[in-house]
Amino acid sequence: EDKVVQSPLSLVVHEGDTVTLNCSYEVTNFRSLLWYKQEKKAPTFLFMLTSSGIEKKSGRLSSILDKKELFSILNITATQTGDSAVYLCAVRDNAGNMLTFGGGTRLMVKP
Amino acid sequence: EPEVTQTPSHQVTQMGQEVILRCVPISNHLYFYWYRQILGQKVEFLVSFYNNEISEKSEIFDDQFSVERPDGSNFTLKIRSTKLEDSAMYFCASSAGTVPIRGQFFGPGTRLTVL
Repeated sequence: EDKVVQSPLSLVVHEGDTVTLNCSYEVTNFRSLLWYKQEKKAPTFLFMLTSSGIEKKSGRLSSILDKKELFSILNITATQTGDSAVYLCAVRDNAGNMLTFGGGTRLMVKP
Repeated sequence: EPEVTQTPSHQVTQMGQEVILRCVPISNHLYFYWYRQILGQKVEFLVSFYNNEISEKSEIFDDQFSVERPDGSNFTLKIRSTKLEDSAMYFCASSAGTVPIRGQFFGPGTRLTVL
């Protein structure tokens, strides 16, 4: 059974801080890892990673995958209050299209 | 940007009643999914649907659940006889292909409360 573990469970920072969120996984026949941001309701897509060592970047957010050590990190620099959300990591294996989610990291950014 | 939409946003029902949750996936997407999230727990996969049939389902998706694409735009999840433990947020998602470049797009969810 595929397993995804995120850490920390929650994090409180101040605006301007940099945060690193972690996601480790155990997946048979790994295909891809995805990061989502969940504010009030729907998870919104951030990144999809398939190859080790290649950083994906979007503004202040970046993510990288290590397929040897089976983890990914999501970095947010110069955090803003609008970054407050639950960040979800999910993995997909080669067996199909289903995503297996981790429990999420709840980030709170204080002014 | 196109969005997945879901109705209703909140459904309250009595135990044993049937409910139908509705979703309109993004129009050019071909793969459709249902996930659920019990309060305080992980998002869990229920089922995926492609070419008018179920392509994958989880252990949660038992005989009480069914999915249908009744027309060219809607995608529904039916729970035949609801149980208290079915109370959760149900998310519909869609993707353009099997290897979507931008992942699966999620709708805003329907919060189902079973009394």
